[in-house]
Amino acid sequence: EDQVTQSPEALRLQEGESSSLNCSYTVSGLRGLFWYRQDPGKGPEFLFTLYSAGEEKEKERLKATLTKKESFLHITAPKPEDSATYLCAVQTGGSYIPTFGRGTSLIVHP
Amino acid sequence: DAGVIQSPRHEVTEMGQEVTLRCKPISGHDYLFWYRQTMMRGLELLIYFNNNVPIDDSGMPEDRFSAKMPNASFSTLKIQPSEPRDSAVYFCASSKRTGSNTGELFFGEGSRLTVL
Repeated sequence: EDQVTQSPEALRLQEGESSSLNCSYTVSGLRGLFWYRQDPGKGPEFLFTLYSAGEEKEKERLKATLTKKESFLHITAPKPEDSATYLCAVQTGGSYIPTFGRGTSLIVHP
Repeated sequence: DAGVIQSPRHEVTEMGQEVTLRCKPISGHDYLFWYRQTMMRGLELLIYFNNNVPIDDSGMPEDRFSAKMPNASFSTLKIQPSEPRDSAVYFCASSKRTGSNTGELFFGEGSRLTVL
């Protein structure tokens, strides 16, 4: 069975303290890996799509990378407004439908 | 351009009552998804439609749940009768298929359901 595991479940950082979130997957035939951001009381909002190992995408203080078994979301010099839950989702060869991980709740303190 | 629109945003009802959640997807999108989010289980796919046709409803928890998409601009998720364990946030999302990928999903703001 396809699985998506995100770690840590929760992360507290000081403003400016860089760190990484992890998304590991055990799927057959990865079509795409997606990162979403979810603010409290809102729906998830798309950030990145990664398709193949070695690929990287950047947006402001966020950089997503992909290997054959996991993806990292690197946050450089985070700000309090980066506080949110970050969700990872994978899409496999057997289905066009993404399966979501449980997410990492990030809090950045000023 | 309007995003995915869901209603109601909040619903409080009593056990046994019928609940209907509504969704208007983004115009031109050919996929529509209903997800449920809880602290215990995260985001779970309930059902999805392609071109208004239900494709996979294996995530629907039981016969009390039903979903329809009568046209490309409207979908409903109905729970009858509702139970306290149905309390969750229900999200509707839409997407447009590009090549071999459904691409990014666009989510609505969700409907928070509380069943007393």
